[in-house]
Amino acid sequence: KAGVTQTPRYLIKTRGQQVTLSCSPISGHRSVSWYQQTPGQGLQFLFEYFSETQRNKGNFPGRFSGRQFSNSRSEMNVSTLELGDSALYLCASSLGTGEDTDTQYFGPGTRLTVL
Amino acid sequence: QKEVEQDPGPLSVPEGAIVSLNCTYSNSAFQYFMWYRQYSRKGPELLMYTYSSGNKEDGRFTAQVDKSSKYISLFIRDSQPSDSATYLCAMSGRSGGSYIPTFGRGTSLIVHP
Repeated sequence: KAGVTQTPRYLIKTRGQQVTLSCSPISGHRSVSWYQQTPGQGLQFLFEYFSETQRNKGNFPGRFSGRQFSNSRSEMNVSTLELGDSALYLCASSLGTGEDTDTQYFGPGTRLTVL
Repeated sequence: QKEVEQDPGPLSVPEGAIVSLNCTYSNSAFQYFMWYRQYSRKGPELLMYTYSSGNKEDGRFTAQVDKSSKYISLFIRDSQPSDSATYLCAMSGRSGGSYIPTFGRGTSLIVHP
């Protein structure tokens, strides 16, 4: 079974621009979660989508948004980029049972650099 | 105080050593505990998971949960240079309509030949 894929793998943008990242979950997985990983803060939860609806949201500003399509693929958008948005953005998929045993499987991430 | 505490290391050990990686947590509602391994420039990969207290063994890896002390451990026996990576603990807590894992900051492990 193919794993979680993310595109693009690397991105360089300048302050003020916007960016869209894409994630394709494991086949059969209906939940997609997004995380930001930085050396200083570690893995921080951005949001989770299930059945095209945002089911959970972390503590990030409104510049960070996402959506999920009917085939469970998801996109994340960051508008008005700031230098502090430079990070590894990880997508994780799971079955979406809503139970605590619903294990997440991660993609390779998109490394975003904001200049 | 963060919900999950994990020493960032780095932890440097010689090949063949037994490695002990640990996390403490504060939320007594956590029931499901996971360990992820993350190589440089890669996404985290699930290594092991355990439910509630007890031990679980998988090859050279043993996961241990002590809920009374709110302490979890991952032991690696006969460590290899290929085990050099960052190890993240995670545990699931209820959030809205589902469970979202809370991650530790990760411990960097270096196994030198």
